[in-house]
Amino acid sequence: GAGVSQSPRYKVTKRGQDVTLRCDPISSHATLYWYQQALGQGPEFLTYFNYEAQPDKSGLPSDRFSAERPEGSISTLTIQRTEQRDSAMYRCASSLGGGGNEKLFFGSGTQLSVL
Amino acid sequence: EDKVVQSPLSLVVHEGDTVTLNCSYEVTNFRSLLWYKQEKKAPTFLFMLTSSGIEKKSGRLSSILDKKELFSILNITATQTGDSAVYLCAVNSGGSNYKLTFGKGTLLTVNP
Repeated sequence: GAGVSQSPRYKVTKRGQDVTLRCDPISSHATLYWYQQALGQGPEFLTYFNYEAQPDKSGLPSDRFSAERPEGSISTLTIQRTEQRDSAMYRCASSLGGGGNEKLFFGSGTQLSVL
Repeated sequence: EDKVVQSPLSLVVHEGDTVTLNCSYEVTNFRSLLWYKQEKKAPTFLFMLTSSGIEKKSGRLSSILDKKELFSILNITATQTGDSAVYLCAVNSGGSNYKLTFGKGTLLTVNP
């Protein structure tokens, strides 16, 4: 696609529910990233994929968080048993991949509110 | 732990003013420093800096990196109301992954 697309744009859920966020990266991009951005803070790294491989998930805050990219394109981020502290903007980004010095292109994000 | 500190956290100026935003960093394995402009939607890429002392320019915006003193500045001349945004600085510390460490951002407000 022309840019990084995320859905839904907003998600309101009750504590304890599971949520799944979706990211559709730029079509030629091998590398996909998930970031969490709290209000007034910069984005914080959660995990990234190189095609379908997930070399680093060190930023995932707990085992309630998981991400997939089964066919190396679209990715989902799932948060199980949501808690109020999970409320944040979740941003996906993609890059061409392979170089190390990467320019990341960000999506508009999913604003998650856990009540 | 990698750290990126931006200052000031917020800034209010009048149209036409020149502003300088600061970013200092402490990382274990520096590869590049990036500046992003974040408005209501996605952060948009401004500059990537890898070498000291080489200024990058794009219109009224410019940026430079000092790898000895571990900081970068972003300059905006003749500011316009459309420059109002959060400006994010991020450092790529390389290693086996591509993760960026972001600062908290500088909220710039340009008043007419």
